[in-house]
Amino acid sequence: GAVVSQHPSRVICKSGTSVKIECRSLDFQATTMFWYRQFPKQSLMLMATSNEGSKATYEQGVEKDKFLINHASLTLSTLTVTSAHPEDSSFYICSARDRPGQLNTEAFFGQGTRLTVV
Amino acid sequence: GENVEQHPSTLSVQEGDSAVIKCTYSDSASNYFPWYKQELGKGPQLIIDIRSNVGEKKDQRIAVTLNKTAKHFSLHITETQPEDSAVYFCAASINSGNTPLVFGKGTRLSVIA
Repeated sequence: GAVVSQHPSRVICKSGTSVKIECRSLDFQATTMFWYRQFPKQSLMLMATSNEGSKATYEQGVEKDKFLINHASLTLSTLTVTSAHPEDSSFYICSARDRPGQLNTEAFFGQGTRLTVV
Repeated sequence: GENVEQHPSTLSVQEGDSAVIKCTYSDSASNYFPWYKQELGKGPQLIIDIRSNVGEKKDQRIAVTLNKTAKHFSLHITETQPEDSAVYFCAASINSGNTPLVFGKGTRLSVIA
């Protein structure tokens, strides 16, 4: 099946610095990718929808200036956590559905990125 | 928007017994219902899904049922094994590649040997 690759899997950064997370669709083109955040023992919460060649759509309560999303190609979306603070520590997961715009698609997830801000 | 409720939040079963997890959804437009297994520190892995044109789907020890009238769907795992222990999430969405999934809160399944 389709594969979504996410990098890095784990990152520790100092408070105030920025961290970039990459999400790649390896064998299909993804005009749309999704970014989720998961706190310990909680569900996946959608942060934003990343659209290739246009601005991302953010969910209510998610700061677009803090979580910068760039979807410059059909296989790569990046999430940059700017000026990270300890409360941003979480598990970030990207997802893409194959054959965007078509029916009967599946959603595939990256391996996740564990961000720890110290 | 869509809202997905999942029960129970935790479930312990003896090895070999069956496990059932139930979800309800609110948006009648949703027509795609996948189930994911998530192990610690990893991303969710799709284990089975069902679309609204069928009422039941089975894959070896795993089955999913869907009742569109009542807006609920269930995951059934038979002959559970210790390696089935994980967190399971149900999700719902419109069957389109541009639509995100809405997840339930998850069920932590423990299979006791």
